[in-house]
Amino acid sequence: EVQLLESGGGLVQPGGSLRLSCAASGFSFSTYDMSWVRQAPGKGLEWVSSISGGGGSTFFADSVKGRFTISRDNSKNTFYLQMNTLRAVDTAVYFCARTNVKDSYGSLDYWGQGTLVTVSS
Amino acid sequence: DIQMTQSPSSLSASVGDRVTITCRASQSISSYLNWYQHKPGTAPKLLIYAASSVQSGVPSRFSGSGSGTAFTLTITSLQPEDFASYYCHQSYSAPYTFGQGTKLEIK
Repeated sequence: EVQLLESGGGLVQPGGSLRLSCAASGFSFSTYDMSWVRQAPGKGLEWVSSISGGGGSTFFADSVKGRFTISRDNSKNTFYLQMNTLRAVDTAVYFCARTNVKDSYGSLDYWGQGTLVTVSS
Repeated sequence: DIQMTQSPSSLSASVGDRVTITCRASQSISSYLNWYQHKPGTAPKLLIYAASSVQSGVPSRFSGSGSGTAFTLTITSLQPEDFASYYCHQSYSAPYTFGQGTKLEIK
């Protein structure tokens, strides 16, 4: 059974940093791209970032480029979102998701339950 | 960047109704269009990938169509559990944008 479990959310002051983790199980982790998607309060889903299976290719939304980085440790079946210079507008539930490039056109076929990040003084 | 425009933003319908949600891309995305269902406090769920392929386990009342820039999600015979928000998502090129969502409510 595919499972994704986010951790690392919490309250942080504007300008601060936070690292989110997503632990994966139930599939061959290193062969899948992975993604982060967020939902701000009362808003829709926003794609944030993706990373290729080997970690060599990364992509970011314009709204986070230069502030967020994405990485993965395939030996630990875990990938990360390092968030720096956080702003109030980054307040959201952050979901991790498996990206199925091989079989389903890059769709996000499995999702975690989400972790809440609150940026406030 | 590719913009995804979804309509309507909200929709009221009754159990048993047929509803259609549309999504338009600002440039051609071939068939790289996916649809998700999202209920508050839960993980989003993939319904349709590659514009018209139904994800395993999704009821057959959900269907998708379209290619290029115009896409639709159709739900036939609405069930109580279908009242949720729906999002389109292009996976053609980064940044991989979502539509703004459609909230489907009970009439």
